[in-house]
Amino acid sequence: EVQLVESGGGLLHPGGSLRLSCKASEFTFSSYSMTWVRQAPGKGLEWVSYISSSSSIIAYADSVKGRFTISRDNAEDSLYLQMNSLRDEDTAVYYCARWELLARAFDIWGQGTMVTVSS
Amino acid sequence: EIVLTQSPGTLSLSPGERATLSCRASQNIRSVYLSWYQHKVGQAPRLLIYGASSRATGIPDRFSGSGSGTDFTLTISRLEPEDFAVYYCLQNDDSSRMYPFGQGTKLEIK
Repeated sequence: EVQLVESGGGLLHPGGSLRLSCKASEFTFSSYSMTWVRQAPGKGLEWVSYISSSSSIIAYADSVKGRFTISRDNAEDSLYLQMNSLRDEDTAVYYCARWELLARAFDIWGQGTMVTVSS
Repeated sequence: EIVLTQSPGTLSLSPGERATLSCRASQNIRSVYLSWYQHKVGQAPRLLIYGASSRATGIPDRFSGSGSGTDFTLTISRLEPEDFAVYYCLQNDDSSRMYPFGQGTKLEIK
């Protein structure tokens, strides 16, 4: 079964750092662009970051630019999100999703991992 | 930056009724760049419609998408109990690599 599984979420204080991981299975991970999307409590979905299949194109939402870094290891079928200088407003469930180029849509999603930033 | 505005914010309907959800873009976008997602609490979001009107794999034919330019619509012809969820539209901007979602429409049981 094509699957994405996130991990690495947790509870931490403002200013802290955290690294999220997303493990892909049953598809050729290296052929797909990937993305992170989050949902804060009581809010809608917010796109966070995008990385192309070869890591040559990377983009961030303005809300995380300069603090978050997306990366991937195609040999390990894994996507990462390094989150630094965390703020209360970064509290959210973080989802990784696969970008299907032909559909121009996020066609496979993980179940999400919760990040809570609180003093 | 293109902004997507969804309406209504909340839609209260009964099973068997027809649901019409709107997504309006702040400027013209190509239909190929517009997709719709269903999201239930505690679950992963699910792709319903891509290219404004194409159903994703496994999506029942009661779901349909339409529209062009700035106005797009997701229609659920006859609501099933499992359809009550939050629905989002999304447009992708290849030039800037930005992927703004609409703010969502909550479809609740009346």
